[in-house]
Amino acid sequence: NTKITQSPRYLILGRANKSLECEQHLGHNAMYWYKQSAEKPPELMFLYNLKQLIRNETVPSRFIPECPDSSKLLLHISAVDPEDSAVYFCASSQAPTNERLFFGHGTKLSVL
Amino acid sequence: AQKVTQTQTSISVVEKTTVTMDCVYETRDSSYFLFWYKQTASGEIVFLIRQDSYKKENATVGHYSLNFQKPKSSIGLIITATQIEDSAVYFCAMNYNQGKLIFGQGTKLSIKP
Repeated sequence: NTKITQSPRYLILGRANKSLECEQHLGHNAMYWYKQSAEKPPELMFLYNLKQLIRNETVPSRFIPECPDSSKLLLHISAVDPEDSAVYFCASSQAPTNERLFFGHGTKLSVL
Repeated sequence: AQKVTQTQTSISVVEKTTVTMDCVYETRDSSYFLFWYKQTASGEIVFLIRQDSYKKENATVGHYSLNFQKPKSSIGLIITATQIEDSAVYFCAMNYNQGKLIFGQGTKLSIKP
């Protein structure tokens, strides 16, 4: 799936700061960050539509999203906690309502 | 509260048979959208099929079809002529309230030769 690219694929962190990056080549207006913990379904963290943050679920303040342009999404993480170990998926859709989501391959974050 | 429930944790069937996966949902919205996604062993999440709540006809895409029973708040996924590569975790999901897609817990499907 080269339509949505995420980097890095794997990330091992102590209590450091890092940013996850996502870029979609589909011309979609809506972009999402989802967190999937082990043996759990994906859970929505943030949703941007037309570069505006329209959904901000209950997420620790150490996670800060950024949408520098309509095709890019960043997730800045500061002072990670062991509970942050998970796979973080970027996704996009044409609109944030009833459209199917396209997912990236995810970034697997392991916190030491 | 909005909720999606998949009670089948895992299912195992023989290749080339038909399998049905269950999903029930709770919502107060009059209009909503239901989806099935597949997550492969590599972790990739792929959209399979969608049902709009206002449509009476069951959606069908390839060898995937849905059994939509609105009065029962049920949206079952039917896979016919299963293949080994259908082995994956299948998630039922509901989209409501401007983009919040909530997923069920998933059903792990194993296809045996």
